[in-house]
Amino acid sequence: EVVLTQSPGTLSLSPGERATLSCTASQSVSSSFLVWYQQKPGQAPRLVIYGASTRATGIPDRFSGSGSGTDFTLTISRLEPEDFAVYYCQQYGSSPWTFGQGTKVEIK
Amino acid sequence: QVQLQQSGPGLVKPSQTLSLTCAISGDSVSSYSAAWNWIRQSPSRGLEWLGRTYYRSKWYYDYAVSVKSRITINPDTSNNQFSLQLNSVTPEDTAVYYCARVGCSGGTCALGLDYWGQGTLVTVSS
Repeated sequence: EVVLTQSPGTLSLSPGERATLSCTASQSVSSSFLVWYQQKPGQAPRLVIYGASTRATGIPDRFSGSGSGTDFTLTISRLEPEDFAVYYCQQYGSSPWTFGQGTKVEIK
Repeated sequence: QVQLQQSGPGLVKPSQTLSLTCAISGDSVSSYSAAWNWIRQSPSRGLEWLGRTYYRSKWYYDYAVSVKSRITINPDTSNNQFSLQLNSVTPEDTAVYYCARVGCSGGTCALGLDYWGQGTLVTVSS
């Protein structure tokens, strides 16, 4: 099973600042099958990035993804109030599909 | 626009069977451009993928090892929905359960879990 480790656990930032979230896999993951989700309280996760770097429909261009192999990054260039949430990475290149434990982006 | 509507009980007794249904609108459970998944989320386990089904000339199933002996995902083409059955539940199965679609293109399902149901909190308790 591929274990995904996200860091940091919590990121305390102000609106307008840049957020950099990390996802490290225990073994190499195909970039095609690495995604990022945003989740707000009481809501289902929302797809943000698929294929490691492609924004999902309706996702603003302040969100970007990068990485390959075992190291992946989600960057939010300038935080807007609606971006404060928990972010999860997920791989589905090998079964079982696995999720990271999440990074909470909170308002400082 | 694809929508997934979940239904099912929120309380299940230990040792019994958890059953949930996910009704699909805007797509087909038999679509070659999708696979249909169940995921759960709890404070102790985080997000946990449980399994999927998809149709490619025949039905395929793929289950997480952690629940493989207890889980069944069934497509229902007549009602354009799919279901989850989890047998012999314990309090550790208490979680919010989600159904979700993974989009596929060109024979590869690499578009992420792009549509989710609203979630159902299932509590296992006597």
